[in-house]
Amino acid sequence: QKEVEQNSGPLSVPEGAIASLNCTYSDRGSQSFFWYRQYSGKSPELIMFIYSNGDKEDGRFTAQLNKASQYVSLLIRDSQPSDSATYLCAMNSGGYQKVTFGIGTKLQVIP
Amino acid sequence: NAGVMQNPRHLVRRRGQEARLRCSPMKGHSHVYWYRQLPEEGLKFMVYLQKENIIDESGMPKERFSAEFPKEGPSILRIQQVVRGDSAAYFCASSGDSNQPQHFGDGTRLSIL
Repeated sequence: QKEVEQNSGPLSVPEGAIASLNCTYSDRGSQSFFWYRQYSGKSPELIMFIYSNGDKEDGRFTAQLNKASQYVSLLIRDSQPSDSATYLCAMNSGGYQKVTFGIGTKLQVIP
Repeated sequence: NAGVMQNPRHLVRRRGQEARLRCSPMKGHSHVYWYRQLPEEGLKFMVYLQKENIIDESGMPKERFSAEFPKEGPSILRIQQVVRGDSAAYFCASSGDSNQPQHFGDGTRLSIL
């Protein structure tokens, strides 16, 4: 079983819609959760991090964490073509544990 | 620029040569991570270092690959006797501690002829 599961996509949404990206994980000890955006040929860019159950909002982005169900999601409201990228879910278990990345979900926002 | 600095951005080597990739962490960061990414694939963890110490090298091949983060100077990822399969993008990231978000450099694209 993979430690961090993401649907590789592509996920296609029309411009202006809400994009919902999901990630599940197997390690119940995971404490810190991160979402990165990676444009083709570029490096990953941190866009959100969340440590506690519930929602965390930043502009058009909302991260949701449910530790009981072991999933974390990212919602992008009012999706724009410039949001088209691969979104990587990542987490670690604290201490000296390395961060584990999912394979990423490719998002396509259709104008 | 206070971000993570990697150089060179592009590196071309012939089979059998050595490749040296450098990474200077963000100011104030003492934790450095190296990842490898093949086209259309995810990030693969290689090694996690703090100043003068290798904390976790579980993702690094046992042969030909080595990494260091000396007391002074950048972290170095060294690949000896490169082969075609080493062609990839190598990303370095840094963080203030192991629980804080990692910030990535622009990467080094390694091409093996």
